[in-house]
Amino acid sequence: KAGVTQTPRYLIKTRGQQVTLSCSPISGHRSVSWYQQTPGQGLQFLFEYFSETQRNKGNFPGRFSGRQFSNSRSEMNVSTLELGDSALYLCASSVLGRGRRTQYFGPGTRLTVL
Amino acid sequence: GEDVEQSLFLSVREGDSSVINCTYTDSSSTYLYWYKQEPGAGLQLLTYIFSNMDMKQDQRLTVLLNKKDKHLSLRIADTQTGDSAIYFCAETPDNYGQNFVFGPGTRLSVLP
Repeated sequence: KAGVTQTPRYLIKTRGQQVTLSCSPISGHRSVSWYQQTPGQGLQFLFEYFSETQRNKGNFPGRFSGRQFSNSRSEMNVSTLELGDSALYLCASSVLGRGRRTQYFGPGTRLTVL
Repeated sequence: GEDVEQSLFLSVREGDSSVINCTYTDSSSTYLYWYKQEPGAGLQLLTYIFSNMDMKQDQRLTVLLNKKDKHLSLRIADTQTGDSAIYFCAETPDNYGQNFVFGPGTRLSVLP
């Protein structure tokens, strides 16, 4: 089975621009979560989508948004980029339901904001 | 709220055992996980333990869980240079409907 894929792997943007990142989950996984990883803050939860609906949201400003498509692929968007948005953005997919819910991570998209 | 703590750095000699510790706060966590992150990569699931277990062994990895003290540890036997990475412990406060909470990660350096 193919793993979680994220595109693009690297991105350079300037302040004020917007960016869209994409995540394709493992086949059969309907839950996709997004995390921001920075040296200072560690791994911070952004949001989770399941069946095209946002189920959970972390403490990020409204500039961060996401969506999920009917094939479970997910995108996240960051508008009006700030220097502090430079980070590794990780997406993870899982099978939701009762019992163990293991998240499998993609390689991440490294975003640099200049 | 949920909080997961880990020491930030650990150095060991090649061939020695490494023990990475983690404390968590949410006693309702059903599963606890260990992930490994190598430079420039995403997180790789190493192992997990169910909250009603005390110990789980998987080849060179041993996970110990002290639920009373909310303490989790990961022991790596015969540590190799390829084990150098950041190790994250994570709890799931609820096994349905809640997001994972990760610790800050422990950077393991294996010295030759």
